[in-house]
Amino acid sequence: GQSLEQPSEVTAVEGAIVQINCTYQTSGFYGLSWYQQHDGGAPTFLSYNALDGLEETGRFSSFLSRSDSYGYLLLQELQMKDSASYFCAVITSGTYKYIFGTGTRLKVLA
Amino acid sequence: GAVVSQHPSWVICKSGTSVKIECRSLDFQATTMFWYRQFPKQSLMLMATSNEGSKATYEQGVEKDKFLINHASLTLSTLTVTSAHPEDSSFYICSASPPGQGFDSPLHFGNGTRLTVT
Repeated sequence: GQSLEQPSEVTAVEGAIVQINCTYQTSGFYGLSWYQQHDGGAPTFLSYNALDGLEETGRFSSFLSRSDSYGYLLLQELQMKDSASYFCAVITSGTYKYIFGTGTRLKVLA
Repeated sequence: GAVVSQHPSWVICKSGTSVKIECRSLDFQATTMFWYRQFPKQSLMLMATSNEGSKATYEQGVEKDKFLINHASLTLSTLTVTSAHPEDSSFYICSASPPGQGFDSPLHFGNGTRLTVT
């Protein structure tokens, strides 16, 4: 089977740094993406890792370790608008399907 | 660019009826579109991969006779929920990417359809 596990909920205060982990087990792996989804809205793309290491995009960074089947999303200088659900997604090799993780609900407190 | 439009945004139907949801790529041609279902506070579950000009590929456990997918053109895929029941009530969302773009480019999502079956 395929599984992508994330913590269900994370709470932090404005200005803080938070890390959202993702461990995956899939039949084939091409890369790992991260998406943000506000309640009632569509997911929006945040980042993508195909190779091991850290990718930085503004306040958001994403890390991948293919050998450990693990990645994380790092959010810095948290803002209230960052309160949302965050999903990791594996792009499977061969079939090129996007399989989404269990999702992490981030609450940013004032 | 790369806009995906989904219609309707919400629909209420009676048990036993069928509902059609449209997903359009407005400014690009999409040979492949993905259909997801999302229950409240849960993940996006891939239902099927819609392929233009050929049959859709359904994920394990998804009834292809209940969730009919048609991808008749490069800009339109439709999902029809047949003989809907209350347990089919969910948020259905489609996605696509312009061809030729790498996976480091976004998967573009429609705004989703909230289906309520009474």
